[in-house]
Amino acid sequence: DAGVIQSPRHEVTEMGQEVTLRCKPISGHDYLFWYRQTMMRGLELLIYFNNNVPIDDSGMPEDRFSAKMPNASFSTLKIQPSEPRDSAVYFCASSLEGVYGYTFGSGTRLTVV
Amino acid sequence: QKEVEQNSGPLSVPEGAIASLNCTYSDRGSQSFFWYRQYSGKSPELIMSIYSNGDKEDGRFTAQLNKASQYVSLLIRDSQPSDSATYLCAVNEGNTPLVFGKGTRLSVIA
Repeated sequence: DAGVIQSPRHEVTEMGQEVTLRCKPISGHDYLFWYRQTMMRGLELLIYFNNNVPIDDSGMPEDRFSAKMPNASFSTLKIQPSEPRDSAVYFCASSLEGVYGYTFGSGTRLTVV
Repeated sequence: QKEVEQNSGPLSVPEGAIASLNCTYSDRGSQSFFWYRQYSGKSPELIMSIYSNGDKEDGRFTAQLNKASQYVSLLIRDSQPSDSATYLCAVNEGNTPLVFGKGTRLSVIA
């Protein structure tokens, strides 16, 4: 298996623009998580899905953030409009049954200028 | 608010020594405990998991869990420069999402 695949690896955008991050989980994994990592706050959970259904989005910082999982092999995290404080590394992770350790993607480093 | 606390470091140890990394957690209901290693600019990688009190050994790594004290640790024997990374402690209850500490930066000096 190729692991969890995220794209793009790097994204630089101007404030106010829409940003879409993409994730393909490991085949057969039924849980998908979006985390954001910054130096100040560490790894923070934004939202997670079980069998493509959003379970908890309480970590999504504002209405500017939205996430979808239209099928078992694809998820997106969208920020519209983006702001400089959204600059961070965004990780997608997937897990089997949610009780075992997660496998992380390589992350998307987002810079909003 | 579930919290996982780690000393941010850096923890510096000489090559060949034992590195000891510590973590405390606030939720007494936590059942699963994990250690992740994260190299600079890379994603977290799972290196150890532990679910019951006591020690669990895997090669040069030993995870230790004490649920009564809400404490989990990671020992790295015969530390190598390649072990230099940030080590993240993570816990969860059942299939709830993992809560991560901010990590301890380890530096192994050759």
